[in-house]
Formats: sequence, structure tokens, C-alpha cells
Amino acid sequence: GENVEQHPSTLSVQEGDSAVIKCTYSDSASNYFPWYKQELGKGPQLIIDIRSNVGEKKDQRIAVTLNKTAKHFSLHITETQPEDSAVYFCAASGTNGGSQGNLIFGKGTKLSVKP
Amino acid sequence: ETGVTQTPRHLVMGMTNKKSLKCEQHLGHNAMYWYKQSAKKPLELMFVYNFKEQTENNSVPSRFSPECPNSSHLFLHLHTLQPEDSALYLCASSNREAGYTFGSGTRLTVV
Repeated sequence: GENVEQHPSTLSVQEGDSAVIKCTYSDSASNYFPWYKQELGKGPQLIIDIRSNVGEKKDQRIAVTLNKTAKHFSLHITETQPEDSAVYFCAASGTNGGSQGNLIFGKGTKLSVKP
Repeated sequence: ETGVTQTPRHLVMGMTNKKSLKCEQHLGHNAMYWYKQSAKKPLELMFVYNFKEQTENNSVPSRFSPECPNSSHLFLHLHTLQPEDSALYLCASSNREAGYTFGSGTRLTVV
């Protein structure tokens, strides 16, 4: 089955700096890679996702890159702000996470943005 | 609100109690999931339901019993739990066109 590794487990940056979180996956058949942000007391919220037919996707200060050959994908946050502080999870599945594929999650990265 | 509502938000129960967690979604999704989130562990998939049918039971102990009466509601019945079962229990829903939408979870403490 799929196995997702996520690094680092904790990340501390100064406000305005960039943050990068990396994930690797094991199943070459996986084709959907979402990223979730979890704030204290809340469930994970989808922030961006990418499918295997795309190498990069950007949404304002957040971008995700995918290298299918190497089986790794990364989350990039630019111009970090204190409200970006949260736990971020990567995940992988065989479809878009619907009925034919279950999401397998990484262990999470606790991001702290210092003002 | 995400569209997935979980109740209660917090639950404290003794090891001999019986309680139930409830999840409700009105997003029109056809799949619903229970995940367990413990400290320093990945989100652990427990159960999957597609169109009310259970399609996956990820080796979950029988003291956890899921129920899906319709595609909008999902329950997790709990009985004779252990202290190590204390965790955040998350419900999610999805369909082929959309990713997972999670609820806020139920923080369970077993004493």
C-alpha cells in the first residue's frame, strides 16, 4: 500500500521568509496530492492540491510542486505571516480522494512563524 | 463551518461506558470516513463508507462500531474503550470531483 513520508516535523521561520515542506510517496500509481492545514481545535482544511498531469500549481502565496519520477512533492509558502502558523499535512491517493482511492497522510509539519 | 458537522466536540467517558459520535454532511458527497488523530502519529484511517456501504475496515478493534444509515450521516459507536483510545476522531466526506472535507473532530478522553 501507499506510504507517505513528510519532512520536517517542525519548522520555525521569521515572518516574511519562505517555508518549504517536502513529502515522498511510495506508490507510483498515486495521482492526487492534496495539502491540508490544521489549526488548533479544528479539523484539517484543504489549502491546495495537485494532480499527476501537472508539475506545479500556485495559489497566491502558496505553491505545490510535483516530481513524479522521483515520487516527491513539496509545499512552498512565500512571505509567511503569523496566521500561517499551523500543522500542515501532505497526502496521496490513487484518485482525487473519492470513492476509488483513500487518502494516506504524512505525519504532519508544525510550522511556527515568528513575528 | 466546513459543511461537515461533528458532535459532540468533546467527550469524556469511562472504560465501561457506551457512547456514540455523530457526523453529518450536506455537501452531496457519496463517501464518508472516520479517522483517528493521535499525538505524533499520522492520521489513521479507520472506516470508509461509499454510498452507505462499508468498503474498508482498517483493522479497527471491535470496540469501535461504525454505522451509516444514509449517505449524509455517519456514526461511530464506542464501548469498553481503553485509555489509549483517547484521541481526536475526525470525520470526512468526499466525492470524485472534490477532495476530502473534514469536520472539526470530537476530542475523546477515556478515563
